[in-house]
Amino acid sequence: QSALTQFASVSGSPGQSITISCTGTSSDVGSYDVVSWYQKHPGKAPKLLVYEVSKRPSGISNRFTGSKSGNTASLTISGLQAEDEADYYCCSYAGSGTLIFGGGTKVTVL
Amino acid sequence: QVQLVESGGGVVQPGRSLRLSCAASGFSFSEYGMHWVRQAPGKGLEWMAVIWYDGTNKQYAASMKGRFTLSRDNSKNMLYLQMNSLTAEDTAVYYCARSHRAWSSQDAFDVWGQGTMVTVSS
Repeated sequence: QSALTQFASVSGSPGQSITISCTGTSSDVGSYDVVSWYQKHPGKAPKLLVYEVSKRPSGISNRFTGSKSGNTASLTISGLQAEDEADYYCCSYAGSGTLIFGGGTKVTVL
Repeated sequence: QVQLVESGGGVVQPGRSLRLSCAASGFSFSEYGMHWVRQAPGKGLEWMAVIWYDGTNKQYAASMKGRFTLSRDNSKNMLYLQMNSLTAEDTAVYYCARSHRAWSSQDAFDVWGQGTMVTVSS
């Protein structure tokens, strides 16, 4: 099964909002509200930002907002900050007990 | 505190085997599904496999079936990944991760280890 599709890179200036998209199929993103988003800095473990499409774990800033429409999930980062520069990955349940990640999006803060 | 610590990585020759371990602490390990996720150099995250909280069920990514085996010992709070017939394409950082919800194996990963590097090279 191919990875979920994410744009390779997105950039924005401090204070701006950016949206990262994650496109799957009717067999994964489109069928299940089990989409999560992760932030990964180089050399560090991934960090859960959003689960079940739009829920935030305790301690995660409300600047991170998840949503889904059809086969595409999105993560919006508002009030972009320098520390938001990282790689971001989506992940979806894909049926039969399996999960699948997106290819990742590199966010650059200009 | 809630923690996962991987071990067992290193340099291994092509065709050989390696077993990775993941030690859990700070939570009721036997209540959570556990996953392995890897990241090859310069590549993205790749979900590999999950084992249910009680070890009764395991699911593998299609590309992992046959060479990788997941197991756990709830009495020791340990998770294992047995990797056989390794190739250069298996060179990656391997992470263990916990399912977000207790008793669930099909959701987000809320606790991650620091990762252990496996390099397959002659």
